[in-house]
Amino acid sequence: DTGVSQDPRHKITKRGQNVTFRCDPISEHNRLYWYRQTLGQGPEFLTYFQNEAQLEKSRLLSDRFSAERPKGSFSTLEIQRTEQGDSAMYLCASSFYGQGARADTQYFGPGTRLTVL
Amino acid sequence: AQRVTQPEKLLSVFKGAPVELKCNYSYSGSPELFWYVQYSRQRLQLLLRHISRESIKGFTADLNKGETSFHLKKPFAQEEDSAMYYCALRIHNYGQNFVFGPGTRLSVLP
Repeated sequence: DTGVSQDPRHKITKRGQNVTFRCDPISEHNRLYWYRQTLGQGPEFLTYFQNEAQLEKSRLLSDRFSAERPKGSFSTLEIQRTEQGDSAMYLCASSFYGQGARADTQYFGPGTRLTVL
Repeated sequence: AQRVTQPEKLLSVFKGAPVELKCNYSYSGSPELFWYVQYSRQRLQLLLRHISRESIKGFTADLNKGETSFHLKKPFAQEEDSAMYYCALRIHNYGQNFVFGPGTRLSVLP
């Protein structure tokens, strides 16, 4: 296991198209997070899962965004009817929620850079 | 609203000099604070968290609830410390989870 992986690494799409990103967490991790990061800003929380349950979703998240983690392993983030303002780096992170000082430490993936033309 | 501020976008220090990266937060509940670091062409990774009260790579950070601050400090900066540093606040409200600051780029000059 080489850590959190994300696919694709880069995506260029035209406004109005739908895009889907995949995140594969570290295998024993039960929590999975999605963030969005734009230039000059820190990551912005979008949503997170514990196993297959989506426990929190940012109030700022448009209805065009949806995320799933159907079997509690990999997750997908879909953006429908993309807009130019969706251009950003989309980061995934996973963690193990449980006992211990390092529990729930988030390990980040390399990100998917989305460009909407 | 919950917020994390990092007043410096860029901080340059010479090798061997002390460094302090500032972080202030606003949160009415019990805060849980973190520092994350991103080295060039690497992933974002956890540096330290206040509940662990640890020193990582010579860095320490103390939570000051009175000043709502969680400044990151290192007595002697090294060139390999050059990176982007993000302060983050974990909260437990519906619709939020982690709030990151905008980041400070630390440049350690030889």
